[in-house]
Amino acid sequence: GENVEQHPSTLSVQEGDSAVIKCTYSDSASNYFPWYKQELGKRPQLIIDIRSNVGEKKDQRIAVTLNKTAKHFSLHITETQPEDSAVYFCAANFGNEKLTFGTGTRLTIIP
Amino acid sequence: DAGVIQSPRHEVTEMGQEVTLRCKPISGHNSLFWYRQTMMRGLELLIYFNNNVPIDDSGMPEDRFSAKMPNASFSTLKIQPSEPRDSAVYFCASSFSQGHTGELFFGEGSRLTVL
Repeated sequence: GENVEQHPSTLSVQEGDSAVIKCTYSDSASNYFPWYKQELGKRPQLIIDIRSNVGEKKDQRIAVTLNKTAKHFSLHITETQPEDSAVYFCAANFGNEKLTFGTGTRLTIIP
Repeated sequence: DAGVIQSPRHEVTEMGQEVTLRCKPISGHNSLFWYRQTMMRGLELLIYFNNNVPIDDSGMPEDRFSAKMPNASFSTLKIQPSEPRDSAVYFCASSFSQGHTGELFFGEGSRLTVL
């Protein structure tokens, strides 16, 4: 089936430390893996995405890695700041347009 | 562009009433999605359209839910009759996809409370 598992469900890190969130997907044909950030009461917004033709992508303090053989991908946030506190969702595509989301990780940055 | 526009932002209704949620996608986008978000189940895809045609409605909970997209700039999600378990935030999202998955842009959501 179309399944995306995400861990952990909650994560607390000291400001300045790194945070890592991991996801696995079920369909080996999936080729698009975005990460969305949702602040309290707001809409989910794309922060970074990766397609299956690359293994890693970086944008300032955030990076995503992809292991197609193992069917898992991870979000890495370095030098965390209080504004990084939010719920983060991973997703994978099933077919050309359909995105299935993970269950979310509530990240709390401790000042 | 104003982004994806949803209305109403908040709706409180009584069990048994009909609820209609509305969405205007970003101009030029050819795919439209309806998601439901709850604490228990996270973000669930209910239905999506491509070029105004429903492609996958396997996430629609039951016959009480229906969705339409009469043209490229408007979609509705209707619940009739509504039940308390339908209480959730309903997001509409749109994307431009041409042979591969495009970035999803979400609206601000419609928070539905069914008493």
